[in-house]
Amino acid sequence: NAGVTQTPKFRVLKTGQSMTLLCAQDMNHEYMYWYRQDPGMGLRLIHYSVGEGTTAKGEVPDGYNVSRLKKQNFLLGLESAAPSQTSVYFCASSRQGGSYEQYFGPGTRLTVT
Amino acid sequence: KQEVTQIPAALSVPEGENLVLNCSFTDSAIYNLQWFRQDPGKGLTSLLLIQSSQREQTSGRLNASLDKSSGRSTLYIAASQPGDSATYLCAVRDDYKLSFGAGTTVTVRA
Repeated sequence: NAGVTQTPKFRVLKTGQSMTLLCAQDMNHEYMYWYRQDPGMGLRLIHYSVGEGTTAKGEVPDGYNVSRLKKQNFLLGLESAAPSQTSVYFCASSRQGGSYEQYFGPGTRLTVT
Repeated sequence: KQEVTQIPAALSVPEGENLVLNCSFTDSAIYNLQWFRQDPGKGLTSLLLIQSSQREQTSGRLNASLDKSSGRSTLYIAASQPGDSATYLCAVRDDYKLSFGAGTTVTVRA
């Protein structure tokens, strides 16, 4: 099992450009998440999904959109990138909510100039 | 809103000394608490997961305790080694998400 994978690993964007980050999991998990990590801070939740076709906002959703068309994939989109979105993005998944453990991908390092 | 605090923010110890890392949280209605390790520029490595009904978990030199009623967890690392140098994050789980602390950066001096 590959677990949770993220594509790409690194990306540099110019202000105003758009891009999509892909997260894939092969554990048949229902829940998937996108977090961002900024220097000196813990991870903060951007959006999450509790099942195929459903998404919900987390703590810091502004400037991002998500889609969960297939159970195994969770896409994070930036429509018009801003320097404030320079961050490391982590995807995670868990079997269900509650007491189930979350498993994390390796991260995507995004720089917006 | 859940607030997770880790003190100290940084810690430097000589090799062989035991490490004690603290984590506190404001809302005791959690499902579990997880400790992670993060090396510079790398992803998260899960170290220990403590369910809300448990008081502690152990793995090798690592031991984590949980006192849910007082909103505290402590990670103990015995006989520290230079390879233990990293940032340690704690996170608490509510129904759907994890709330993270900012981490404690540990340096173990040889």
